[in-house]
Amino acid sequence: GQSLEQPSEVTAVEGAIVQINCTYQTSGFNGLFWYQQHAGEAPTFLSYNVLDGLEEKGRFSSFLSRSKGYSYLLLKELQMKDSASYFCAVRYSGAGSYQLTFGKGTKLSVIP
Amino acid sequence: ETGVTQTPRHLVMGMTNKKSLKCEQHLGHNAMYWYKQSAKKPLELMFVYNFKEQTENNSVPSRFSPECPNSSHLFLHLHTLQPEDSALYLCASSQDGDNTGELFFGEGSRLTVL
Repeated sequence: GQSLEQPSEVTAVEGAIVQINCTYQTSGFNGLFWYQQHAGEAPTFLSYNVLDGLEEKGRFSSFLSRSKGYSYLLLKELQMKDSASYFCAVRYSGAGSYQLTFGKGTKLSVIP
Repeated sequence: ETGVTQTPRHLVMGMTNKKSLKCEQHLGHNAMYWYKQSAKKPLELMFVYNFKEQTENNSVPSRFSPECPNSSHLFLHLHTLQPEDSALYLCASSQDGDNTGELFFGEGSRLTVL
């Protein structure tokens, strides 16, 4: 089966940098996703890593180490609007198709 | 606006009612999904449809019945639900075969079962 672990809550100061970690166990690994979900809204895609290393996209970066089953999402120059829940999800191959399993999510609170 | 529209946004029903949730995607995708989101729990995959064919049913109770009449529409028919079925039901779509195959989610239907 698949399992993912991420912290339930993180608090950080506006303008600072925050890192949200995700560890996972899966077979048939085919990529790791990060999604953002503001309260009452749809989850939206942030990043995708399938190879080891760092992917940078503006203020957001995502890192993957497949050998360690580890990923993190790095948010720089935090803004109040970054307060949201962040989910990591692993894609794996199974039953002839790819599926996603999500973590429980990390609620990020950005304070002034 | 994600290109995936869900109705109704909120639904309250009794345990003996029959209701349906509707999802429509305007992205030309070939795969659609139903997820259940409960407080303090991961998003749970319920059903997957690829090219209108159901490819996954993750041990979902029969009181939830999906229907996919075409690649743009997905329904979740609800019958004799339990209070523990109260949750946010999210529809998503993706293009199978795309490099990332990212999911595009609707805003969800908040279901309360009394």
